[in-house]
Parts: sequence; C-alpha cells; structure tokens
Amino acid sequence: ETGVTQSPTHLIKTRGQQVTLRCSSQSGHNTVSWYQQALGQGPQFIFQYYREEENGRGNFPPRFSGLQFPNYSSELNVNALELDDSALYLCAMQGVRETQYFGPGTRLLVL
Amino acid sequence: EDQVTQSPEALRLQEGESSSLNCSYTVSGLRGLFWYRQDPGKGPEFLFTLYSAGEEKEKERLKATLTKKESFLHITAPKPEDSATYLCAVPDIIQGAQKLVFGQGTRLTINP
Repeated sequence: ETGVTQSPTHLIKTRGQQVTLRCSSQSGHNTVSWYQQALGQGPQFIFQYYREEENGRGNFPPRFSGLQFPNYSSELNVNALELDDSALYLCAMQGVRETQYFGPGTRLLVL
Repeated sequence: EDQVTQSPEALRLQEGESSSLNCSYTVSGLRGLFWYRQDPGKGPEFLFTLYSAGEEKEKERLKATLTKKESFLHITAPKPEDSATYLCAVPDIIQGAQKLVFGQGTRLTINP
C-alpha cells in the first residue's frame, strides 16, 4: 500500500473537452511526477512538480499542465483532448534514492 | 537519452515452471535499476532497486540480478498469482527533474 490516491478511477470525455485528474498521498511527499501509459506500453514521463513548481517536462505539449498545492496534492489538466490522449494516467510520489511510488491510476477514454 | 528494452514481450508458463525475464539498458551513468509489478488497470507496484553490478535482491519467488548491461528477474516455481506485467526502469535527469525511463514490460501468465 503506497498511500497514494488518485481520482477519479476512470472517466470518459469527448474530443476537444478538458479534464482534471487529481493525486494525493497520506504522507507529505514534496515531489510528484505524472506519467501517461498507453495500452501495452511502459509509462511515459509527463512532468514533475517540486514544492509547487514544475521542474522538468517530458515530450508533451503545453495543453498538458499541472499544479501542486501546499499540502503536496497535485492536479494534471489536459485541454483540447485528442483521441490519442486515451490512456492510464499515473502519479508517483518520490521516495528515497529516486524510488517512485505510484498511485492506482486514472483510466481516461476520449471518444 | 537512456533506453530500456525488455524481453520477451509476453511469456506463458505452467505453474511451477521457473524462468527469467530480461531488461537491457543503455545509460550514461547507472544510478539504479528498478523493477515494478503491474496488474491490469492498476498502478505499478515497487519490487526492487539494484544499484551496482553483481547486486541481487529477493522477494518470495522473485530474484533480481544486475550486470553492467542488463538485469534479470528470475521467477522460481511461479504460482498463478504471479501473473502480471513486470516493468523495469532506470532513473534519468531532465531539466532538474528525476524521471523514470521504463521498458515496455513483459506480460507474464502462469497457468495452473
């Protein structure tokens, strides 16, 4: 049990819509990362937040954005949804020596 | 950029039939190699971290080993509940962020 929670567990959107996904942990981790996992693939790094600031981004367009709050919970926002955005979205809290502990994920389907 | 390749993509075994999964990597400087287990529709569950060639870690029927170019996840006498996708990953730094670079995973099925 990682203590990392994500909401919602799954949702369905249509192309062009916007979505907000949420992540929190029972203990205060100050570094949170978001990943996108397409079916049959490994997770791909979207970005990381440290003390409420984005400190690194993978190869994702600006319509993927995020927030981290003073209690270290985090949001991932995706604007102008495309069909290819359908995936499992994972947040991960940073532990010791670069170990990351993942939440259960949010399954997003874009129609 | 660091690269991670896992083989085979899928493996089907009978209960009790031991085997190994492979993870090969190319990195500029290894700062660890991680193994995760992922059940369908769930988040990856942390299993092991290995930091140096020759290191081994064990957990129940799983043993992970590391060389300078690859890692193996050995599964001994597996049970159906060991069925899952096994992911390996290496850490990398991008713009000050510590990210994990994952392989595509090995989907393991253990038949009773």
